[in-house]
Amino acid sequence: DTGVSQNPRHKITKRGQNVTFRCDPISEHNRLYWYRQTLGQGPEFLTYFQNEAQLEKSRLLSDRFSAERPKGSFSTLEIQRTEQGDSAMYLCASSARQGISYNEQFFGPGTRLTVL
Amino acid sequence: GIQVEQSPPDLILQEGANSTLRCNFSDSVNNLQWFHQNPWGQLINLFYIPSGTKQNGRLSATTVATERYSLLYISSSQTTDSGVYFCAGSGAYKYIFGTGTRLKVLA
Repeated sequence: DTGVSQNPRHKITKRGQNVTFRCDPISEHNRLYWYRQTLGQGPEFLTYFQNEAQLEKSRLLSDRFSAERPKGSFSTLEIQRTEQGDSAMYLCASSARQGISYNEQFFGPGTRLTVL
Repeated sequence: GIQVEQSPPDLILQEGANSTLRCNFSDSVNNLQWFHQNPWGQLINLFYIPSGTKQNGRLSATTVATERYSLLYISSSQTTDSGVYFCAGSGAYKYIFGTGTRLKVLA
């Protein structure tokens, strides 16, 4: 059973460019989450999918951010017109359909974004 | 919303020492996890423990849900235990993380 995977692991971009990150959850996990972590802080919730439905978006997710999860499998997070303040680690997590620890979240290795 | 406070913020130990990390919640949580973040940023699951006590090798955790706190115990610490430890709690699915305890274990 492979864990959550994220690509790319690192992304360096210039201000104003668009970037897209991908997350592949653990197989059969129907819930998928995106978090953002800045230096010295804990991760902060961005958005959440149950299957293909996006059920909540944080106020941190400005209109430059969009997330999708077509067919309820992998997810993408796109940032348009990147700003230096978007520099952070973007973490993806997934959790299982059922079971004792239904809400236990498993995290991927993250995508570290640097905006120059 | 839920607020999570972790203590201590920083901890330096000699190899072989024991330690206790604490996590306080401002409100009741239905889900609670402890993580270890390695130097590459990966969050490693330690415990899913909304209540009760669990043990895994040198690590154990206790959550007292009625008093809204959780403790992580590390015994006989090793240099590989160094890193940042986070606790996170949620009512339903959206985890709120603390700011972490930065642990450094010296050889």
